[in-house]
Order: sequence, then C-alpha cells, then structure tokens
Amino acid sequence: DAGVTQSPTHLIKTRGQQVTLRCSPKSGHDTVSWYQQALGQGPQFIFQYYEEEERQRGNFPDRFSGHQFPNYSSELNVNALLLGDSALYLCASSPMRFSTLHFGNGTRLTVT
Amino acid sequence: QQQVKQSPQSLIVQKGGISIINCAYENTAFDYFPWYQQFPGKGPALLIAIRPDVSEKKEGRFTISFNKSAKQFSLHIMDSQPGDSATYFCAASGDYNNNDMRFGAGTRLTVKP
Repeated sequence: DAGVTQSPTHLIKTRGQQVTLRCSPKSGHDTVSWYQQALGQGPQFIFQYYEEEERQRGNFPDRFSGHQFPNYSSELNVNALLLGDSALYLCASSPMRFSTLHFGNGTRLTVT
Repeated sequence: QQQVKQSPQSLIVQKGGISIINCAYENTAFDYFPWYQQFPGKGPALLIAIRPDVSEKKEGRFTISFNKSAKQFSLHIMDSQPGDSATYFCAASGDYNNNDMRFGAGTRLTVKP
C-alpha cells in the first residue's frame, strides 16, 4: 500500500520563476493538505483540498495556489518565487473525517 | 501564526533515560493534540495523539500527559534508545479544522549510546 508520494524530491529555481509540485495521496484518502517547512521550523499549513476545491487556507499569499484532480492527486503552484520560499514542501493526505495526517517525504525547493 | 510553543529546542539523553518534551498552546478551541516524529529526509510521522477528555495516553514507551487547565501537554519517552534520535513536533488542531494543524518549532532529540 503506497503512502503519500511527492515529486520531484528536489528542485532548484531562480527568483521570479514559477514552480509546480505534485502529490499523490495515500490509497483511500480523498483530502490533501500542503504544508511549508522552513529549515529548523515546524510545518506551516498552506491549504487543504477536498472534492477538487480549496476548503481551508493558511496565512499564505495568493502566489500560492493549488489544484486537486478527480483521482485526488494534487498540485501546488508558487508564482513569482522569492528567496524566502526556499523550504521543504510537504503534502499530507487524510480521510476527511479523521484527524490523522499522513505526510509524504516532501519536495525540497531552493530558490536562488 | 505560531500558536503552539515547544521546548526545549534540543535535548540530549543517555540510552535508557527518559526524554521529556513540553508544549503549550493558546487557542482553547484546540481539541486534538498529536506528536509527530521526523527523521532527516523524511516527512513527519504520527507518533501518538490525545484529546482533552483524558489526562494521559500511553502507547508502548511513549506517553502524552495533558493538562487542560494549564493548556500544556508533554511527551515522555521512556527507556530512550539511539533509534529514537529524531526531531519531535507537537501540534494542535480543532476537531472540525483538523487539517489546519498548528505545529511547534520542534525538538531535536539525541540519544547517546
């Protein structure tokens, strides 16, 4: 039973560029959440997708957007990258009714 | 945005000792308090969780103690092992907001053999 898978594992972008990160949820999960984890910090909630719609959003600017597909997989898009966007981006999936978040191993984004 | 404060930032314990990590929260609407374990290069993995209707929950060597009136909770790792060396995060969320999990800043635990 595959867990949460994320791609790519590492990515280097230049300031001002755009990036797309991908996530496939754990089998049986229909809700996907994205978190940003800066170095030495705890994860911070970006947004949650359920039934292909953004349901909740944390304190992140509109440069951060997402999408959920009918097969429950999800994308995180970040536009106009800033140096401060360098972080580990974590995808977590869950069954809607339960609180257990299952995290992937993340995508390490470096903005130069 | 941080609503969960975690201490200490780092902790060194001898093998067989007890590791204790503490967290405090502000939002009284929180009612789900998990602890996550994260190894280098991996995502956080749920270790143990508690709801405020109980004051303690034990799973193997891991115990959560919860003090609702003080808005504090802690993780105790008994008989700490070198394999427990990882970063531990406390977190909190509301029952109907469970994917907006608020994490502490993490505690890097090192268990010396």
